Amino acid sequence: GQNIDQPTEMTATEGAIVQINCTYQTSGFNGLFWYQQHAGEAPTFLSYNVLDGLEEKGRFSSFLSRSKGYSYLLLKELQMKDSASYLCAVRDSNYQLIWGAGTKLIIKP
Amino acid sequence: IAGITQAPTSQILAAGRRMTLRCTQDMRHNAMYWYRQDLGLGLRLIHYSNTAGTTGKGEVPDGYSVSRANTDDFPLTLASAVPSQTSVYFCASSDFPDSTDTQYFGPGTRLTVL
Repeated sequence: GQNIDQPTEMTATEGAIVQINCTYQTSGFNGLFWYQQHAGEAPTFLSYNVLDGLEEKGRFSSFLSRSKGYSYLLLKELQMKDSASYLCAVRDSNYQLIWGAGTKLIIKP
Repeated sequence: IAGITQAPTSQILAAGRRMTLRCTQDMRHNAMYWYRQDLGLGLRLIHYSNTAGTTGKGEVPDGYSVSRANTDDFPLTLASAVPSQTSVYFCASSDFPDSTDTQYFGPGTRLTVL
């Protein structure tokens, strides 16, 4: 079966750095997405990786290793507004997105 | 403002009733999707449409139907609602078959079936 694994919850301090990991086992791979979802709101697109390596976008970076079935989202200079759930999704061989359950990130002052 | 709208925002429905959730996008995206989101689970695809006039089944299609008469609208119908269909429903669209094909989401509909 297809599976996306992420930690359920993480806690970090304002101003610090946090890394949210995602491992996947899917039938085929056509890209990996990270989304941010604030409580009670819709998911919003953060990043897309299809080749191995690091993609940097401001305070957020996303890394992919296809051979290891592994990605991480790195958030720097954490702000209180970064408190949200972070969703990892992989596009499989049928071009459908398979979603992880999300990681709830709690930022403390 | 470009984006996706969904209606209603929330609804309480008696079991056995018929309900249609509405979704409209103005980004001229080819593809549209319906997901449900339940606590502790990832988003699960109900139905999708890669282009107007075509639809396909996702991971959890039973009890739901969709139509795609035009590019902008993608309604989801529950023919006879059951309590297990209590969930938050998100509609999304993407510019399939664009190389990235990023999905953009509507604000969601919170549905409670009693």
